[in-house]
Amino acid sequence: DTGVSQNPRHKITKRGQNVTFRCDPISEHNRLYWYRQTLGQGPEFLTYFQNEAQLEKSRLLSDRFSAERPKGSFSTLEIQRTEQGDSAMYLCASTNIGAYHQETQYFGPGTRLLVL
Amino acid sequence: AQSVTQPDIHITVSEGASLELRCNYSYGATPYLFWYVQSPGQGLQLLLKYFSGDTLVQGIKGFEAEFKRSQSSFNLRKPSVHWSDAAEYFCAVGTYNFNKFYFGSGTKLNVKP
Repeated sequence: DTGVSQNPRHKITKRGQNVTFRCDPISEHNRLYWYRQTLGQGPEFLTYFQNEAQLEKSRLLSDRFSAERPKGSFSTLEIQRTEQGDSAMYLCASTNIGAYHQETQYFGPGTRLLVL
Repeated sequence: AQSVTQPDIHITVSEGASLELRCNYSYGATPYLFWYVQSPGQGLQLLLKYFSGDTLVQGIKGFEAEFKRSQSSFNLRKPSVHWSDAAEYFCAVGTYNFNKFYFGSGTKLNVKP
């Protein structure tokens, strides 16, 4: 169990560029969540996957955002045409629904995005 | 609508003193309640959780929390704070099927030597 990993850890981009983040959950975990955390705030739910199916998306997830989990393992979050308001920490978490302690989310260290 | 309020943005306590961090929630059903800690450069780590049963729950690192339904509160406590407890603490409520979690805005704890 190597924990949840996220790459890159930091990303600086110019407004209008596209960025993609990757999350590798704990290997046996079937559920994966994405959150956004801005300075001085707690994590805000963006979306979650159960295996490869994306089951819910927050209103925060505009049409410039897309997330995938193609084989039910790693997930990517893409932001197209970035805006300065997208600057935030993007957090990934995973859990194993149906298992003991299914409610316990394990968080990655996050990807910090700065849009100039 | 579901929400979590942490009324204290910053708290400073002396090392060895007791600590209480406040959390109030709004949720239409039986809440699943959590406390997480976030240290700089680290992911959020679960301290403790409450689903049902005994309203006083014990967690890691000597933390405990008490669920009070009548006050819609889930306050975090520690009898004696250590310098290593300096971090940001988040209260969260989860839906019954763990599809969504709602976090408070956090309380940053400073520990004076």
